[in-house]
Amino acid sequence: GESVGLHLPTLSVQEGDNSIINCAYSNSASDYFIWYKQESGKGPQFIIDIRSNMDKRQGQRVTVLLNKTVKHLSLQIAATQPGDSAVYFCAVAGTDSWGKLQFGAGTQVVVTP
Amino acid sequence: DGGITQSPKYLFRKEGQNVTLSCEQNLNHDAMYWYRQDPGQGLRLIYYSQIVNDFQKGDIAEGYSVSREKKESFPLTVTSAQKNPTAFYLCASSNRDRGLDAQHFGDGTRLSIL
Repeated sequence: GESVGLHLPTLSVQEGDNSIINCAYSNSASDYFIWYKQESGKGPQFIIDIRSNMDKRQGQRVTVLLNKTVKHLSLQIAATQPGDSAVYFCAVAGTDSWGKLQFGAGTQVVVTP
Repeated sequence: DGGITQSPKYLFRKEGQNVTLSCEQNLNHDAMYWYRQDPGQGLRLIYYSQIVNDFQKGDIAEGYSVSREKKESFPLTVTSAQKNPTAFYLCASSNRDRGLDAQHFGDGTRLSIL
């Protein structure tokens, strides 16, 4: 099965700084990786995804890095804003588990002025 | 706008009672999912359905039941056999045409015990 973990339960970051959220996974067959943002009382919101044939993908103010050698995934948020305060989850799926995602426990990002 | 609608937003259950949570999507997605989220934890898969009239158990299916009679709808029943039903329940859907694809979520139903 898949074990997904995050390195820090809470990340405090100053407004305007860059944030880095990390995620480790255990199954080397994992093929697809997603980052979600969840605000209080709401469902997870898709941020960015990456497939195993890539090691970097960029979106608007966000970058996902994938290191398959050490089974590590990270989300970088540039110029963090107060609206970025939320819980961030990584989710992982493998080719042997169609459509099924394994979620990490989440990292709470707190943006301070 | 296309999206996933969950209702009600808050639900209370009495002891011995079954309750049904609604999930409707207008994204034309084939696959739908139900997750449970407990405080400070990640999402755990209850049931999923890849196509109409078909569904499979997830990691924590005991005490829950589902149906998939229409593509747009995937209701979840929390039965009296579920002894610890208090949680935040999330429904999601995804497009299977691309194989593995991102799941899109509704805004959840919070279930509590009276």
